[in-house]
Amino acid sequence: GAVVSQHPSRVICKSGTSVKIECRSLDFQATTMFWYRQFPKQSLMLMATSNEGSKATYEQGVEKDKFLINHASLTLSTLTVTSAHPEDSSFYICSAISGTSPPAIDTQYFGPGTRLTVL
Amino acid sequence: GENVEQHPSTLSVQEGDSAVIKCTYSDSASNYFPWYKQELGKRPQLIIDIRSNVGEKKDQRIAVTLNKTAKHFSLHITETQPEDSAVYFCAAALIAGNTPLVFGKGTRLSVIA
Repeated sequence: GAVVSQHPSRVICKSGTSVKIECRSLDFQATTMFWYRQFPKQSLMLMATSNEGSKATYEQGVEKDKFLINHASLTLSTLTVTSAHPEDSSFYICSAISGTSPPAIDTQYFGPGTRLTVL
Repeated sequence: GENVEQHPSTLSVQEGDSAVIKCTYSDSASNYFPWYKQELGKRPQLIIDIRSNVGEKKDQRIAVTLNKTAKHFSLHITETQPEDSAVYFCAAALIAGNTPLVFGKGTRLSVIA
């Protein structure tokens, strides 16, 4: 149990286009999902906190109009990178927290990540 | 906000030796301290965690210690094996699960056979 999936796993796009990344909790309902970004050989940096049915909370320095987050259901959150540029190329990882037990309600379950390359 | 410092950034040990990675945190309100192992291109995997009401926790070859007064916690891996080679991240959060994790910069561990 406690599986989180991301789609796509890898995407290459042209500069100026938009890319949508999906994060799904497959076998539990996620009341909260987090989006992290990881540049090569660096740590995970929190981008935003997403709660089902409400607006996402963005970390300082993360442009909410560029990184659109929608948490429309208890099992799905999406991150859309709008007008992507090469500097947005990164590994994007989501994590989810269960609202009920099982699985453990005090554990973040990470998705496998999406590698975005903007040409 | 919380700030987590992690040392060393790289660590090489001989197979069978022990490895120790240390982290410090700034927010005394933090109560949850997990450790993650990440292989190249993969998701972080939780290997052990500790909460503020516990000073030490052990799981087979892996142990974590926490000193709340000094605001530091450490990961200890004994009898290292080549498959332990990976990047290890410490993290801190106010509440386990409910609040976002603040990660350290990571330690690249190489276990030499």
